[in-house]
Amino acid sequence: GAGVSQSPSNKVTEKGKDVELRCDPISGHTALYWYRQSLGQGLEFLIYFQGNSAPDKSGLPSDRFSAERTGGSVSTLTIQRTQQEDSAVYLCASSLTVKEGLGNTIYFGEGSWLTVV
Amino acid sequence: QQQVKQSPQSLIVQKGGISIINCAYENTAFDYFPWYQQFPGKGPALLIAIRPDVSEKKEGRFTISFNKSAKQFSLHIMDSQPGDSATYFCAGSGHNFNKFYFGSGTKLNVKP
Repeated sequence: GAGVSQSPSNKVTEKGKDVELRCDPISGHTALYWYRQSLGQGLEFLIYFQGNSAPDKSGLPSDRFSAERTGGSVSTLTIQRTQQEDSAVYLCASSLTVKEGLGNTIYFGEGSWLTVV
Repeated sequence: QQQVKQSPQSLIVQKGGISIINCAYENTAFDYFPWYQQFPGKGPALLIAIRPDVSEKKEGRFTISFNKSAKQFSLHIMDSQPGDSATYFCAGSGHNFNKFYFGSGTKLNVKP
């Protein structure tokens, strides 16, 4: 597609329910990132994929969070047993293959707004 | 530990004025420093970026100034316009560029 596509754009869920957030990166981009943005806050790194593997999962806040990527394209971020503190905008971004020594522009989607009530 | 610190949190500038946003970083392994612009309801978009081998980069009304010894860099928006009203994020990244550490953001309001 023309840009990074995320769905759903908005999700309201009850505390304790599981949610899945989907990201469709720019065609041809092998690197995919998930960030979280709480209200009025900065961007918190969650996880990074190169192809289908996730070399860096260090930002996942707890074991309730998981992510996968299949076919080197679409990624799903799953939050189990949601808590109110999970309410945030979840941003997906993608980029071309990481090239050492060069700046690597990452392109963000518009985010999935999650509200846990 | 916050890798990139950004200030101010919010900024009000009159149309035509200069907007200045400052960032400081901790990790000396960072060697790529982009600035992102985010409008409400949208994802951040790359505005301008700099590497530490230069002290300044200018693109139109936007200039990054970089001070390697002080581990600081700043964004200057000349002739600020109401359309520049947005949230600005600075970031730092290491040589393998697989993770960007973002500042906490600056909400800029340019008054007409």
